Amino acid sequence: NAGVTQTPKFQVLKTGQSMTLQCAQDMNHEYMSWYRQDPGMGLRLIHYSVGAGITDQGEVPNGYNVSRSTTEDFPLRLLSAAPSQTSVYFCASISATDYGYTFGSGTRLTVV
Amino acid sequence: DAKTTQPPSMDCAEGRAANLPCNHSTISGNEYVYWYRQIHSQGPQYIIHGLKNNETNEMASLIITEDRKSSTLILPHATLRDTAVYYCIVRVATGRSARQLTFGSGTQLTVLP
Repeated sequence: NAGVTQTPKFQVLKTGQSMTLQCAQDMNHEYMSWYRQDPGMGLRLIHYSVGAGITDQGEVPNGYNVSRSTTEDFPLRLLSAAPSQTSVYFCASISATDYGYTFGSGTRLTVV
Repeated sequence: DAKTTQPPSMDCAEGRAANLPCNHSTISGNEYVYWYRQIHSQGPQYIIHGLKNNETNEMASLIITEDRKSSTLILPHATLRDTAVYYCIVRVATGRSARQLTFGSGTQLTVLP
């Protein structure tokens, strides 16, 4: 049981480049979320999904797109990377009957 | 969502109980108290949650005051591996908004040898 898998673990982008952060879970969880964590701060919600085909915006959605075509996968797309998007990105999932989210190990993104 | 207030940092001696406080004076009747922790550079880990009764699991105990305006997370025998940032989160248990966690700054617990 792998839990929540995020790839890549590290990434350096140039300003203006686009990329997709991958998130996959093998627990058949309905809910999935993306958070970002800036140095010394708590996590902030970017986007979330309550099931395949359903997504919604969180606290800081600007500059990011998501889609949920399957229950397992919830990719996060950076459309045109900016230095302000330098952060650690965490993906998380939870079932409808659980109380605690399972988080991935994070993707550390640097935009230069 | 109810706002939570936690001390920014605490120390605890290894083997002793670590008591982490959280104030949530504006908590509503249908809001639960959740605790997560984040060990350096890792994803947060769910610890425990409760509504109004005290709760215990294999990781910790949660004590909620009778008026529900504050709570304490207790790690009964802290080890060096418990050094982490601990987040207290107040959230409704069901519905779409229940899935949107709001993390504050948390408490940095340092367990000292």
